[in-house]
Amino acid sequence: DAGVTQSPTHLIKTRGQQVTLRCSPKSGHDTVSWYQQALGQGPQFIFQYYEEEERQRGNFPDRFSGHQFPNYSSELNVNALLLGDSALYLCASSLEGPNSPLHFGIGTRLTGT
Amino acid sequence: AQTVTQSQPEMSVQEAETVTLSCTYDTSESDYYLFWYKQPPSRQMILVIRQEAYKQQNATENRFSVNFQKAAKSFSLKISDSQLGDAAMYFCAYRSINNAGNMLTFGGGTRLMVKP
Repeated sequence: DAGVTQSPTHLIKTRGQQVTLRCSPKSGHDTVSWYQQALGQGPQFIFQYYEEEERQRGNFPDRFSGHQFPNYSSELNVNALLLGDSALYLCASSLEGPNSPLHFGIGTRLTGT
Repeated sequence: AQTVTQSQPEMSVQEAETVTLSCTYDTSESDYYLFWYKQPPSRQMILVIRQEAYKQQNATENRFSVNFQKAAKSFSLKISDSQLGDAAMYFCAYRSINNAGNMLTFGGGTRLMVKP
């Protein structure tokens, strides 16, 4: 039973470029959340997708957008990359509802140059 | 908005000894969940222990236990019989019981070092 998988594991992009990160949830999970973890800090919530719609969003600019597909997998897109976007991006999946524990992937390390 | 504070950036413990990691939070809600997550160098967040605010009994998972003080808004993690594999970043997290999603608010983390 595969857990949460993310790709790529590392990514280097130039300032101003667009970035796409991908996440496949744990088998049976229907909800996907994305977190940004800057170096030496705790993760910060970006947004959550359920039934292919953004259900909840943290304090991130519109340059950060996402998508959930019918198979529950998800993408995180970052437009006009800034150097300050360099971070570890974590994907977490769960069943719908506040009582379901989150399962995390190992993240994508994004470096802007 | 809820906030979570971990005041210890780093902690060190001798193997087989006991260590306590501190966490305080701020909320106006009466029902919520609190968590401790472990993040080893492999980067994957692993759930260590979970506490429901409406339960007075402190949660325990093998060598890991919490001291939940609701009035003081304090949620500390005690690790007994520390092992080398316990070395990692530890994050305290809060989740509201009221919203439709399951967004977590994390603290800044505590790096735990275990000395052989």
